[in-house]
Parts: sequence; C-alpha cells; structure tokens
Amino acid sequence: GDSVTQMEGPVTLSEEAFLTINCTYTATGYPSLFWYVQYPGEGLQLLLKATKADDKGSNKGFEATYRKETTSFHLEKGSVQVSDSAVYFCALTGGSNQGGKLIFGQGTELSVKP
Amino acid sequence: ETGVTQTPRHLVMGMTNKKSLKCEQHLGHNAMYWYKQSAKKPLELMFVYNFKEQTENNSVPSRFSPECPNSSHLFLHLHTLQPEDSALYLCASCLLAGGNNEQFFGPGTRLTVL
Repeated sequence: GDSVTQMEGPVTLSEEAFLTINCTYTATGYPSLFWYVQYPGEGLQLLLKATKADDKGSNKGFEATYRKETTSFHLEKGSVQVSDSAVYFCALTGGSNQGGKLIFGQGTELSVKP
Repeated sequence: ETGVTQTPRHLVMGMTNKKSLKCEQHLGHNAMYWYKQSAKKPLELMFVYNFKEQTENNSVPSRFSPECPNSSHLFLHLHTLQPEDSALYLCASCLLAGGNNEQFFGPGTRLTVL
C-alpha cells in the first residue's frame, strides 16, 4: 500500500540555520503531497502542498518540490526562526487510496534555539 | 481559524464514564475523519465518513463509537475507556473532489483517562 517515510527527529538547529526535512513516498498513480505543521498544543495546519510532479509548494519561507523520479518531497527553509519549532508531517493522498484518506509520515520534531 | 471546531478542548474522565467529543465544520465539506495522536506514535486514522456514511473503521475498539448525523457534525462517543486511550483526538474534514483532497484539521481534544 501507499506509505510515507520521514527522517527521524528530533532535529535541533540554531536560529538562521538552513533546514531540510527529508520525505519519501511510495504510491501508485499520481498522489498529491502535503506538509502539515503542528505547533505545541495545537492541531495540524497545512503548511504547503503540491498536486503534480515538479510542482513546488511554498509558504512562510518553506518550500518543497514534488519529485516523481526520486519519489521525494523534501521540506526546506533557508533561515529558520525560533517560532518554527514544531512537529512537521509529510503526507499524501490519492494514489491507490480512495475517499481522500491521508497517509502520514511519522512526524519530525524541529527545535530551533536562539 | 481553520473552520473546523472541536469541543471540549480538554477532557479528563474515569474509566467508567461516558462522554462525547464533538467536531463541527463550517466549510461545506463532505468527508470527515477522526484521528488519534498518542505521544511518540504516528497519527492513527480511526474513522472516515463520506457523505455521512462510515467508509472506514481502522480496527478501532468498540469503546469508541462514532456518529455523523449530517455532513457538518461528527461525534465520538466514549465509554469504559482505558488509560492507554489518553491521547489527542483530532477531527478533520475534506471536500472530496478530484485528486486534491486537502484535509482541514480542528485543534483537537486532549483526553486523559484516569
């Protein structure tokens, strides 16, 4: 079945460092890909998305490019802030699954130190 | 504000209590979901409702009983829970149309079972 694999956390960075969180997926067909963020004590919020190959999703300085050839959707940010500390989830929908079900990765916790 | 609300935000209950979690979406979506998020574990999809019909039950114990009276409201009825059921319960909704299927999440109910 479809699946998503993220790099293990926690990831600890200093403010203004470059961030990469790796995400790879396995899916048949043409899934849509998402990054969700969960700030402490809150639910999940959509950070960015891409619905077809080579699309780049971007929001709040974060970017991710849908790479079909490497089945990846890595999250990047050039300069992180303390306020970016959160758990980041990569997810996909579509592919072989119906009914809009989201398949999530296990989440990567990011901690940014001043 | 994502348009998905959940009440209560926090709930403490004993193992013999009966309580209900409520989710409401104001987005005109036609699918709703319950997820369980436990510490150090991936998000677990519990139930899926499409057009008020339950389409998925991921082997959830019968002490969790969902109800979807209309496409805007979703309940999770709880009875005789166990301490290991303590978790954050997240509701999400989605407009099933084409391949996008972006889910919008509520803030969650933090449940503690004593």
